[in-house]
Amino acid sequence: KAGVTQTPRYLIKTRGQQVTLSCSPISGHRSVSWYQQTPGQGLQFLFEYFSETQRNKGNFPGRFSGRQFSNSRSEMNVSTLELGDSALYLCASSLGQVLKSGNTIYFGEGSWLTVV
Amino acid sequence: AQRVTQPEKLLSVFKGAPVELKCNYSYSGSPELFWYVQYSRQRLQLLLRHISRESIKGFTADLNKGETSFHLKKPFAQEEDSAMYYCALWAGTASKLTFGTGTRLQVTL
Repeated sequence: KAGVTQTPRYLIKTRGQQVTLSCSPISGHRSVSWYQQTPGQGLQFLFEYFSETQRNKGNFPGRFSGRQFSNSRSEMNVSTLELGDSALYLCASSLGQVLKSGNTIYFGEGSWLTVV
Repeated sequence: AQRVTQPEKLLSVFKGAPVELKCNYSYSGSPELFWYVQYSRQRLQLLLRHISRESIKGFTADLNKGETSFHLKKPFAQEEDSAMYYCALWAGTASKLTFGTGTRLQVTL
């Protein structure tokens, strides 16, 4: 079974630009969540989608947005990029809407974003 | 709000020595606790979760609700254990995990 797939793996953007990152969850998984990983802040939750609906959102500005499609694939978008947005963006998928006992979150390899 | 604290950024031990990676949490309810590991150039992966009460790669972790701790232990460290370890908490909200800042375990000969 293929794991969580994220594209692109690496990208460089200029301040002020926008970026879209893509995530394909494990087949059958309907919950997709996004995390930002930086050396200073560690792993921080961005948002989570289930059945095309955002179920939970972290403490990030409105420049960070996402969506989920009917096939459970998800995209996240960051507009008006700032230098501080440079990070590894991780996508994770799980089987159900709720991380019940027995459900596990599986992570992708991430998309490395560098803002210059 | 929930919080996970991993007080050590780096833990360096000799091969064969015992390992204890500390994790403390704050949450008023009954959380589920996890340990995730990230080996060099690999994705973040689940190591163990407290409800399973199992030993993975020789690692164990016991949830101590009185001390609000979930320390990760291994009696004898191996070189291949060198990695970044993250403690995480699920507070019953959707599929959101709250992570600690991580501890890098370095096992040397």
